[in-house]
Amino acid sequence: GQQVMQIPQYQHVQEGEDFTTYCNSSTTLSNIQWYKQRPGGHPVFLIQLVKSGEVKKQKRLTFQFGEAKKNSSLHITATQTTDVGTYFCAGINYGGSQGNLIFGKGTKLSVKP
Amino acid sequence: NAGVMQNPRHLVRRRGQEARLRCSPMKGHSHVYWYRQLPEEGLKFMVYLQKENIIDESGMPKERFSAEFPKEGPSILRIQQVVRGDSAAYFCASSPNGLAINEQFFGPGTRLTVL
Repeated sequence: GQQVMQIPQYQHVQEGEDFTTYCNSSTTLSNIQWYKQRPGGHPVFLIQLVKSGEVKKQKRLTFQFGEAKKNSSLHITATQTTDVGTYFCAGINYGGSQGNLIFGKGTKLSVKP
Repeated sequence: NAGVMQNPRHLVRRRGQEARLRCSPMKGHSHVYWYRQLPEEGLKFMVYLQKENIIDESGMPKERFSAEFPKEGPSILRIQQVVRGDSAAYFCASSPNGLAINEQFFGPGTRLTVL
């Protein structure tokens, strides 16, 4: 079945350093979503990418969707302690139901002040 | 507008008992999804329901697990004869329709512990 892989699994950074997490799918995706989960919390939607090669920015966060629509990345510039949490990518499964999200295992970000 | 509600937030069961997890979607949302999250793991899709219909249950274990979303009331995820391996966080999400273009709104989750 379709798989979504995410690396790295963990990332420890000093406050102010940049952070990037990468997401790769075994098959072409129709769109990809990114979620953030704070420790002990629930996933919260960040953004959705639909078009090949799309780039979207939210303040210090930059999201990219690959040309082949099989990979994506999230880059955070100058991390802050409020960025702590686990970042998940989730791809939409072409072969499944329209609402079936396939989640990566996430990248857990810790930020040292 | 209240968000997705789940109860209970924490549930402790002994092996062999039944667990019932409830999810009330956001107002106006008729599509519900259930996910399971093991510690340090991502979310694994279990089932997708609309009112009175199961649309996709490809992620549900074949035995002991069932889900429903009745015409009235919350969606229920039911686990019969729980085992220790069922211990996990179970998240429910809702969306206004089933289109892949829509974000899913997650509830706070139910943390199930099986003793």
